Amino acid sequence: AQKITQTQPGMFVQEKEAVTLDCTYDTSDPSYGLFWYKQPSSGEMIFLIYQGSYDQQNATEGRYSLNFQKARKSANLVISASQLGDSAMYFCAMSPFSGGYNKLIFGAGTRLAVHP
Amino acid sequence: DGGITQSPKYLFRKEGQNVTLSCEQNLNHDAMYWYRQDPGQGLRLIYYSQIVNDFQKGDIAEGYSVSREKKESFPLTVTSAQKNPTAFYLCASSPRTGGRNTIYFGEGSWLTVV
Repeated sequence: AQKITQTQPGMFVQEKEAVTLDCTYDTSDPSYGLFWYKQPSSGEMIFLIYQGSYDQQNATEGRYSLNFQKARKSANLVISASQLGDSAMYFCAMSPFSGGYNKLIFGAGTRLAVHP
Repeated sequence: DGGITQSPKYLFRKEGQNVTLSCEQNLNHDAMYWYRQDPGQGLRLIYYSQIVNDFQKGDIAEGYSVSREKKESFPLTVTSAQKNPTAFYLCASSPRTGGRNTIYFGEGSWLTVV
């Protein structure tokens, strides 16, 4: 079965601190992509970062980095220097490449609250 | 500006009625998708399309129908057969299926059955 697990329903962080959001995945596909999306209260899904299963280096995009540990099947999102605007739902998603389709499988999400 | 436009943003439906949610993209993307999100949950795939005039069922296609007559348009019809249609619906697109292609989302449509 292909599955994404986010074990933290909610997280709190102080402004300017770093925070790690956990994500583990399960797939038998040798090739897959891992995504993180941010969903503010308005509802839109904002793409944050992507990691391919064969990428040698961890992905980074500005204040976002993805801690990819393939053997442990984990793809944790690290947000450095948190800002009040980072308060939102965060979703980890996987796209197994078998069949050639970008069918995203989502986790249940983590709600992040950034406190001043 | 390039992007994905969903309309309407809010829609109310009476029980027994069909409603159609619009999704238009001007990104020249080949693939388009419809997802459903229930409160406090992640997204689930309803239908997806790789090319014009072709589409495939996702994980929760029952009670929904789609068409892909034009590359830029992928409307979703929520039929009366969908027993619990109240949800947030998100349309997405990507340059093509497979590989390291980022999937971009529209702003979503809220459907409420009254």
